[in-house]
Amino acid sequence: GAVVSQHPSRVICKSGTSVKIECRSLDFQATTMFWYRQFPKQSLMLMATSNEGSKATYEQGVEKDKFLINHASLTLSTLTVTSAHPEDSSFYICSARDRLEGGELFFGEGSRLTVL
Amino acid sequence: GQSLEQPSEVTAVEGAIVQINCTYQTSGFYGLSWYQQHDGGAPTFLSYNALDGLEETGRFSSFLSRSDSYGYLLLQELQMKDSASYFCAVREIGGFQKLVFGTGTRLLVSP
Repeated sequence: GAVVSQHPSRVICKSGTSVKIECRSLDFQATTMFWYRQFPKQSLMLMATSNEGSKATYEQGVEKDKFLINHASLTLSTLTVTSAHPEDSSFYICSARDRLEGGELFFGEGSRLTVL
Repeated sequence: GQSLEQPSEVTAVEGAIVQINCTYQTSGFYGLSWYQQHDGGAPTFLSYNALDGLEETGRFSSFLSRSDSYGYLLLQELQMKDSASYFCAVREIGGFQKLVFGTGTRLLVSP
């Protein structure tokens, strides 16, 4: 099946720094990618929808200046957590929609962010 | 908007059958999906119901009733490895066709 790769899988950073997480579709093109955040023992909450070549669409309550999303190509979307704080510590998961295979959605392995 | 409610936790023993319910309030969706997620891992797709009725995939079955705004995932012949979190999800109609997840159910299978 199609593969979506996220990197890094784990990252620890100091408060106030910025962290970039990459999401790549390895064997298909994805015009749309979705970024989710999941706190412990909670559900996946959609943060934003990333579209190739255009600005991301953020869900209500998600700070677009804090969570910068760039979808520069059909196989890569990046999420940058700017000026990270301990409350941003979470599991971030991306998913990508294959534009050719009926829009099936594939998930990355997730990235565990810990802000000290 | 979409709202999908699930029981927070279900416990069962190996070999048993368990049903995880999902009740929803939505503004329209293409179908109801089910995902499994082990701790620290990504969600993995289990089953999908586009139409009302039962879909069977090995030990897993899923059911949808749009008139009752209700669905469930049925797991048979439970194994220890089935201990995980399970999420129902709907794909919205229109726009970006976002996938919205339910509140999630933690299944604990004991010997």
